[in-house]
Parts: sequence; C-alpha cells; structure tokens
Amino acid sequence: AQSVTQLGSHVSVSEGALVLLRCNYSSSVPPYLFWYVQYPNQGLQLLLKYTSAATLVKGINGFEAEFKKSETSFHLTKPSAHMSDAAEYFCAVGTSGTYKYIFGTGTRLKVLA
Amino acid sequence: DGGITQSPKYLFRKEGQNVTLSCEQNLNHDAMYWYRQDPGQGLRLIYYSQIVNDFQKGDIAEGYSVSREKKESFPLTVTSAQKNPTAFYLCATAGQGGYGYTFGSGTRLTVV
Repeated sequence: AQSVTQLGSHVSVSEGALVLLRCNYSSSVPPYLFWYVQYPNQGLQLLLKYTSAATLVKGINGFEAEFKKSETSFHLTKPSAHMSDAAEYFCAVGTSGTYKYIFGTGTRLKVLA
Repeated sequence: DGGITQSPKYLFRKEGQNVTLSCEQNLNHDAMYWYRQDPGQGLRLIYYSQIVNDFQKGDIAEGYSVSREKKESFPLTVTSAQKNPTAFYLCATAGQGGYGYTFGSGTRLTVV
C-alpha cells in the first residue's frame, strides 16, 4: 500500500524567504512522486514530477524537489517566495503501471509582504 | 489545445434532486477520475475508470454514480442519496507512462 504525508497544513513565509513544503511517502515499490499547486476555485496544476530519473527535479515557477530514498521524502522548495506563490500545494505518490495516485491532504502556503 | 472541460463551473441542487456533472477530455487518455474536495480534507476519490464501459468505486462512492460510454466522457451523477453533496468536484485524466494526472477546472456544487 502507498501513502503520503504532508507535514503542516498551513505554512507562512515572508516574501523573498525560502519556501519549504514537506512530503513523506510510503511505498513498497519504487515510487513516482508529484507536486501539484491549486489556486482558489481552480483545478490542480502539475508543478513537477519524479519518475526514477534524476533525484533533483526542477519544475515550473522556480520550484524544485529532491527525492531522498533513505528519508522517504520529496520536499518542495523555492529559494525566494513571491506573493503569487500563495496557493495550496499537494504531494502525490504512484507507481509505474498504475493509473491510481494517492494524494496528501495539502499544505496552504501564505506569503507575507 | 488538448485539455479537460468540466461543466458547469457552479451548480446548485435542491434537496432530493439528482444532478449530473460533465467531464470531457480530448487528451486521448485512457483513465479518468472523479475527486471530491472539502476544506482541510484534501482530495477524496469517488470513482475512476481505466477503460470504456468499466469503472471502479473509490473511497467515497456512496450516493454517486458514473458511466463511461465513450473514451472522452466520464459524467458524474450526484444522487439524492448523497446527504452532504456541497463540495468542489474535480475530474482528472491520466495517460500511460506515469506522468501524473491532468485536472479539469472543477465544479462547485452547492445544496440550496
């Protein structure tokens, strides 16, 4: 069985500060990992994905995430927060050959001026 | 452009009424999904379909029904048996290769 845990349902950072959103996963087989962003009243948009290639994955809007097998983590980072980054972020896990992914409960990011 | 179209964007349901949410895709993806989103609860899977004329229940299927008569379409009916249907509903698709989901823009359903 697979699962994903996002630590912190709400995170606040100052504009220009580092963004760190935490995601830990559980999977008995090599996982595929994803980060999605959701703006109010919109669908989810894929930020980045890890599918067993490079462990440091770069995504859109300056975000990146590092797959750490030993820590079963896939934390999302951005060096400098922008006001437009305020949104809800979801981590998800899946595996090769499956069409069904498991989502975390989300982290709402607030960016303070 | 390829994508997913969900309609309507806003929907109001009276007590005891069935309503149908539309989801159409032109991505040629095999799999389609319906998720329900409530504040603080993340995404909960209602139904999914990996192939035409076949679908499976997700975690919260009670009070909902679906059909998959065409590859492009996966409508969701919220029946009167669903006692708390007010939520944001998201349709998603997935192709082969583990590239993740593509989401529609959602339908917000409110009981009046």
